[in-house]
Amino acid sequence: NAGVMQNPRHLVRRRGQEARLRCSPMKGHSHVYWYRQLPEEGLKFMVYLQKENIIDESGMPKERFSAEFPKEGPSILRIQQVVRGDSAAYFCASSPPGGGRRSTEAFFGQGTRLTVV
Amino acid sequence: DAKTTQPPSMDCAEGRAANLPCNHSTISGNEYVYWYRQIHSQGPQYIIHGLKNNETNEMASLIITEDRKSSTLILPHATLRDTAVYYCIVRVSNNQGGKLIFGQGTELSVKP
Repeated sequence: NAGVMQNPRHLVRRRGQEARLRCSPMKGHSHVYWYRQLPEEGLKFMVYLQKENIIDESGMPKERFSAEFPKEGPSILRIQQVVRGDSAAYFCASSPPGGGRRSTEAFFGQGTRLTVV
Repeated sequence: DAKTTQPPSMDCAEGRAANLPCNHSTISGNEYVYWYRQIHSQGPQYIIHGLKNNETNEMASLIITEDRKSSTLILPHATLRDTAVYYCIVRVSNNQGGKLIFGQGTELSVKP
């Protein structure tokens, strides 16, 4: 059972370009979370999605950022018109659907390091 | 979700037990205590979680006080590879999943 897969692992974008980060949850997991970690800072929650639904986007910046988790395929975090301040590590986590003790464990991917030049 | 308080850093000798404390004095009756760790630049790794009983798995033990206002994560025989930032998180555990709110954690340095 493969873990949470994120790609690309490293992404370089010029200011003003778009960045698309992909996250494939663990098999059987229907909950996905995105976190951002700025250099030398802690992990900040961005958004929580279930299949085709955004459950909690309280940590998402109001502009330029969007996330989706379609019925088929990976979850996508999209950043439009990137700026240098978007340079960070973006982590995705997944957890199983509801029910039981293990449903609340979240497993993280290795992250995508975004560098805006 | 309740807030937690952890020491910013701790040292531990290799082979000895590492005891990482966490205060969560405002924890609610339906909130669980979770521990994750982040080894340099990697994704956070789940360690253990519990409600009120002590828990043990292959990685660690979790001791929760009777009043649930504090807990201790125990790594019984710390190795150099246990050097990481350890996060104590409390949140409601429910069937709908839910986000984890990370604080600053404890930076554990295991020294030879």
